[in-house]
Amino acid sequence: SQQGEEDPQALSIQEGENATMNCSYKTSINNLQWYRQNSGRGLVHLILIRSNEREKHSGRLRVTLDTSKKSSSLLITASRAADTASYFCAMITGGFKTIFGAGTRLFVKA
Amino acid sequence: GAVVSQHPSWVICKSGTSVKIECRSLDFQATTMFWYRQFPKQSLMLMATSNEGSKATYEQGVEKDKFLINHASLTLSTLTVTSAHPEDSSFYICSASDQTHSTNEKLFFGSGTQLSVL
Repeated sequence: SQQGEEDPQALSIQEGENATMNCSYKTSINNLQWYRQNSGRGLVHLILIRSNEREKHSGRLRVTLDTSKKSSSLLITASRAADTASYFCAMITGGFKTIFGAGTRLFVKA
Repeated sequence: GAVVSQHPSWVICKSGTSVKIECRSLDFQATTMFWYRQFPKQSLMLMATSNEGSKATYEQGVEKDKFLINHASLTLSTLTVTSAHPEDSSFYICSASDQTHSTNEKLFFGSGTQLSVL
């Protein structure tokens, strides 16, 4: 499969809780990015982490990357109902070719 | 930031007709664009890489005669679903990167096209 793997497939939490999503991949990457998709819409770029970086923060988002394990995680802190969406990791290989993970559907209950 | 415009947003067509989807980079040049397909509640599957001025590179299992890609300029790529059938109904999304800036590694996505074939 060309996809990366993500877990969990679906996550339901209460507003204010933290949400963690994990992504694993098989190929070598230039960088890894996380995207958000609201139902039936295009993708919104959240954060990019390069292959020589281990952790990155952006607002309530924290991303880690472990190239030895070929895995990444996305942490959303203090979640809000508006964070409800699908989240995808995307592995960028040579030539900007992008392979997406299977996605995690996050539901934040108010 | 860079903007990718995709049209139409949705299209309904009869079985056997062809449908063209456009993907435009509005404020940057994109020598390479990518076309994805997404079924409900599933991830994006890369269909093909569209290269300006040359033939597209298709992923394994994607019929090149079924999904015609043309990248005639640095700002426009089109995907034509030929002789569409109900099984072609899906959400199609394009993306592009601003490769004029080597430090810009982000992909910018169109808003997607929902195709429904009756």
